[in-house]
Amino acid sequence: GAGVSQSPSNKVTEKGKDVELRCDPISGHTALYWYRQSLGQGLEFLIYFQGNSAPDKSGLPSDRFSAERTGGSVSTLTIQRTQQEDSAVYLCASSLDTRGKYFGPGTRLTVL
Amino acid sequence: ELKVEQNPLFLSMQEGKNYTIYCNYSTTSDRLYWYRQDPGKSLESLFVLLSNGAVKQEGRLMASLDTKARLSTLHITAAVHDLSATYFCAVDMARGSRLTFGEGTQLTVNP
Repeated sequence: GAGVSQSPSNKVTEKGKDVELRCDPISGHTALYWYRQSLGQGLEFLIYFQGNSAPDKSGLPSDRFSAERTGGSVSTLTIQRTQQEDSAVYLCASSLDTRGKYFGPGTRLTVL
Repeated sequence: ELKVEQNPLFLSMQEGKNYTIYCNYSTTSDRLYWYRQDPGKSLESLFVLLSNGAVKQEGRLMASLDTKARLSTLHITAAVHDLSATYFCAVDMARGSRLTFGEGTQLTVNP
């Protein structure tokens, strides 16, 4: 079946511009996660959605970052006034209950 | 705060050899995940370990979980070049909560 999909796969933007990254989770998965991975760095948690509960936003690095999940499915991560340190691969994952959390292919963001 | 530590961080081994990657975590949890990441690629789920004493095997990889010791191992048997990748362990503290990842172990299998 279809896995987690993300778009765009690559995004190059200029410092100060806003960007939107999209994640389509596996159908029926109630949980959705955003992580980012900087070059040579580990995986940093950003935000987590579970069903209709309030999202866990504790990993968002600044108020320039926000995310929403519409209709319990698609999620959009928005970064306002991008900075060079925002350059990273942004990974989305989805899961159902306690089983595996499945990651999408990621969006590689480059801020010039 | 949950901390997850892997060792070694870098592992270079010859084909045909065996080795073990260790994953320690700081807080009680009975859910541990192993992922593989190839360069420029996303994370591929390898194993989900959900209880103390759980052991899972897939091909040349075997993972185990000891929740009392807060330790998981990923054992590689008779390594082949195709296993070269970065391996991450990850832990979550409660059902469906965020995953906290280890630093990753970069494995290189030399012919």
